[in-house]
Amino acid sequence: KAGVTQTPRYLIKTRGQQVTLSCSPISGHRSVSWYQQTPGQGLQFLFEYFSETQRNKGNFPGRFSGRQFSNSRSEMNVSTLELGDSALYLCASNPSGGSYNEQFFGPGTRLTVL
Amino acid sequence: AQSVTQLDSQVPVFEEAPVELRCNYSSSVSVYLFWYVQYPNQGLQLLLKYLSGSTLVKGINGFEAEFNKSQTSFHLRKPSVHISDTAEYFCAVSPVLGNTPLVFGKGTRLSVIA
Repeated sequence: KAGVTQTPRYLIKTRGQQVTLSCSPISGHRSVSWYQQTPGQGLQFLFEYFSETQRNKGNFPGRFSGRQFSNSRSEMNVSTLELGDSALYLCASNPSGGSYNEQFFGPGTRLTVL
Repeated sequence: AQSVTQLDSQVPVFEEAPVELRCNYSSSVSVYLFWYVQYPNQGLQLLLKYLSGSTLVKGINGFEAEFNKSQTSFHLRKPSVHISDTAEYFCAVSPVLGNTPLVFGKGTRLSVIA
């Protein structure tokens, strides 16, 4: 079975621009979660989608948004980029979103904001 | 709300020596506990998890962890480390009830020295 894939792997943007990141979960997995990883803050939860509905949301400003498609693929969008948005963005999937389930992580998208 | 404290941000250890990575958590409800590992330029991978039952949990790559409810700890151990164990290790918790996201500690960077 193919793992979680994220595209692109690396991205460089300038302040004020917007960006869209893509995540394809493992086949059959209905839950997709997004995390932001930075050296100072560690891993912070952004949001979770399950069957095209946002089920959980972390404490991030409205510039961060996401969606999930009927095939479970997910995208996240960051508008009006700030320097502090530079981070590794990780996507994770699991079969049903149950808290006992293992999360399967993709390799991440490294976003650099100049 | 839950929180996770990883007591050491960096742990250097010689090859073939034992290692313990410490994790304490805070929660007013019962939780599931996890350890994930992140190798350079990769996403996170599950090492082991505690859901219920025996408090000693064995995982992949020779790692084990012990759940101590009275001390709210879930320390990770390996009796003999290899160079290939060099990575960042994350402790995480999730409430048993509800579909709430994982809360991660800030990570411990394990460096194995030849």
